[in-house]
This record gives sequence, C-alpha cells and structure tokens, in this order.
Amino acid sequence: EADIYQTPRYLVIGTGKKITLECSQTMGHDKMYWYQQDPGMELHLIHYSYGVNSTEKGDLSSESTVSRIRTEHFPLTLESARPSHTSQYLCASSAQGTPNYGYTFGSGTRLTVV
Amino acid sequence: DAKTTQPTSMDCAEGRAANLPCNHSTISGNEYVYWYRQIHSQGPQYIIHGLKNNETNEMASLIITEDRKSSTLILPHATLRDTAVYYCIVRAANSGYALNFGKGTSLLVTP
Repeated sequence: EADIYQTPRYLVIGTGKKITLECSQTMGHDKMYWYQQDPGMELHLIHYSYGVNSTEKGDLSSESTVSRIRTEHFPLTLESARPSHTSQYLCASSAQGTPNYGYTFGSGTRLTVV
Repeated sequence: DAKTTQPTSMDCAEGRAANLPCNHSTISGNEYVYWYRQIHSQGPQYIIHGLKNNETNEMASLIITEDRKSSTLILPHATLRDTAVYYCIVRAANSGYALNFGKGTSLLVTP
C-alpha cells in the first residue's frame, strides 16, 4: 500500500554512466527527502525539498543532484557514476501541518557501480 | 533537535514484551518523541510519537516519563517480524529540519 514509489529497485551500472533514480509520491506531500545508507550503517540525509523549485543539500556531501519541478516527483541524478556511489538510496516525504509530521519512505534503490 | 541515547542492541524472546529505552535529557518543551523502525534495509517505518502523555496504537505503546527526559517503546507481544533497528528521534513538530535517525537499537527477537 506504499504511496511513495522508487524505481528502479535494483540497478547495476558501469563507471561513468549517468543515472537517474526516480521517486514519486501520491500523497500531495510538500516535503521530500533523499537518504543514503550503506549496509549496516546509519541513514544520512543527502538532499531535501520543501516544495516545488526548492532543493537543499543535506548533512552528507553528495555528488548527486536533485530537482523538484512537480510536487509529486523528486528524482536524483548522478552525472557520472563511480564505485564510491554504490549504496542504497531511500526517498521519503512528509507533510507540513499534519499532526505527526510522519515520514513515509519508499522501498529504496540499491545501486551498484562496477 | 535534542540528542537521544539508545542501547546498541537488545534481545527479546518471541511472545514476550520488548521494552526499548531512549534517553533524551535535553528535550525541549515543544519537542515530540518519535519512534521509527527499519526492517532489514527497507525504508524506515513510522511507529508512534508523543509529547508528554503515554500513547498507544495498533503497533506499540510509548511511555514518556513525567520529566520527559526518557521514554520507552513497548512492543507488547514481540514476533520474529519485529526484528529490526528501532530509532528514537526527538524533534519539534514544526521543525524545518529533516529527521536525523542516528544509530538506533538493533532488536533481535528469538524463537
């Protein structure tokens, strides 16, 4: 019953390729986030957006970029993938003004750069 | 946002109550206590949150001490599927900052 969708679920790609990880939500949430997580490690915020045309970098420096042209869509792009980008990328959304400001997460994209 | 301290790991027998503690001694008056869990690298899942009163939902109960400096998440009848990393997060409801999940507590439910 996920209302936030990430594609692809798994991606293996060669070094130097450009990739875009998709994230879409159908809940009308204004805030969206990208987290990066290596196996067994903490979640690190890499990008967030408070609404259309708003994007900010998170706590962890990342070579990726994001865009927010539509409320429901928050894609993440790597212009030139490297093995150091191998990780899991998790997208989330939340709504300002709701009682709990709860986050809803997607299932994640597991990226392997070879 | 106030800092939280959680044990690194805990074990619990299946069918028993799992009590996960969290210390947040620097919590401010407008900050809520949120609990999330992450099952085997899936996206974290919201469990429950509270301000000062105890809260209960279909997943868990949250007990907050009167001075609000600590709280306990209770899973009343733990199952094997409750094995996960549990995150305690303190944050103002209208905070402009994204959630910082920290290391959490790795709960292992055993048969």
